[in-house]
Amino acid sequence: QQQVKQSPQSLIVQKGGISIINCAYENTAFDYFPWYQQFPGKGPALLIAIRPDVSEKKEGRFTISFNKSAKQFSLHIMDSQPGDSATYFCAALVRRQLTFGSGTQLTVLP
Amino acid sequence: ETGVTQTPRHLVMGMTNKKSLKCEQHLGHNAMYWYKQSAKKPLELMFVYNFKEQTENNSVPSRFSPECPNSSHLFLHLHTLQPEDSALYLCASSRDSGRNTIYFGEGSWLTVV
Repeated sequence: QQQVKQSPQSLIVQKGGISIINCAYENTAFDYFPWYQQFPGKGPALLIAIRPDVSEKKEGRFTISFNKSAKQFSLHIMDSQPGDSATYFCAALVRRQLTFGSGTQLTVLP
Repeated sequence: ETGVTQTPRHLVMGMTNKKSLKCEQHLGHNAMYWYKQSAKKPLELMFVYNFKEQTENNSVPSRFSPECPNSSHLFLHLHTLQPEDSALYLCASSRDSGRNTIYFGEGSWLTVV
């Protein structure tokens, strides 16, 4: 079964710190890796995404790092803010099907 | 406003009831999806429709019956559900079912009693 393994399950970071969430996959056919952000009571919203031919993508305070040989990718949130407190899901796409990680609940303390 | 609207937002139903969840997308997309989100589990894809045709059914029990009358509307008909079916049901859409951004609605919280 295609799987995407996400860690940690929960993360607590001080305001201004760096939040790092990691994902690993097994299927080398995955060809698109989005990250979604979900606030309580809301549906997931696309945050940032990367394709495997790129090693890093940055949008504002959010950066995806992609290591194709290790089959790993990670989300870095710089200068984390209390408003970033949410659940983050990594995902991977192959053959028109998006497989999600189990989610990371991020809490940024003021 | 996400562009994908789901109703009802909350639903409580008995195991012998029949109810339906409704989804409407205002984004001009051609693909629509139903996902199930349970506590501490990954989002589970249930069904995919592309240009009104069902292209994926991830071994979902027959007590869940989807309907896609057009590219803008998607229903999930519920019948004789079990308590373990209680979850957040998310509708989503994308331009097509290929490598495109998926946009989610805010979900319908279902409680089966």
